[in-house]
Amino acid sequence: AQSVTQLDSQVPVFEEAPVELRCNYSSSVSVYLFWYVQYPNQGLQLLLKYLSGSTLVESINGFEAEFNKSQTSFHLRKPSVHISDTAEYFCAVSDNTNAGKSTFGDGTTLTVKP
Amino acid sequence: GAGVSQSPRYKVAKRGQDVALRCDPISGHVSLFWYQQALGQGPEFLTYFQNEAQLDKSGLPSDRFFAERPEGSVSTLKIQRTQQEDSAVYLCASSFRSSEYEQYFGPGTRLTVT
Repeated sequence: AQSVTQLDSQVPVFEEAPVELRCNYSSSVSVYLFWYVQYPNQGLQLLLKYLSGSTLVESINGFEAEFNKSQTSFHLRKPSVHISDTAEYFCAVSDNTNAGKSTFGDGTTLTVKP
Repeated sequence: GAGVSQSPRYKVAKRGQDVALRCDPISGHVSLFWYQQALGQGPEFLTYFQNEAQLDKSGLPSDRFFAERPEGSVSTLKIQRTQQEDSAVYLCASSFRSSEYEQYFGPGTRLTVT
């Protein structure tokens, strides 16, 4: 069985400050890892994903995440946040034994203040 | 192109009523997933289709929950004799093929059982 733990339920930061949203997972097999973002009143959107290859993955809007197998982590980082980054962020894991069924964390609410 | 759509966006049902929630996946997407998202939690897997075949329904919480995708496109999640604990947002996601792990989510249907 898989599980995902997002260590912070709420993260308030000031605009232009760096941020890290933490995600740890447990799985007995090789995993695929995802970060989704959910803006108010909208559906989940894929932010970035790790399937294989380079352990550092980046999104088009400046977020990055690093897969750390030894620490079973996939933390999300951004060096300088904007007001528009305010949203809920979900970490998810799946593997090639369950046809893409994803297990999600409970989410982290990122609030960027001016 | 058009994304995943769900209808209705909001549904209020009296306890004991039956409800049907519809999902229109992205055209050509083979895989379709249903998730349940309770307030303050991450999405939890309900069931998965590959084309018209329901390959995994391990997440359906009770036999009151039933899902179908008869022609391998539109899917319906039906909940019979609704209970208050069924109140949640029901999310539908689709992906191009079962080995393609990126899922595209619809906006969800918020079900409130009174």
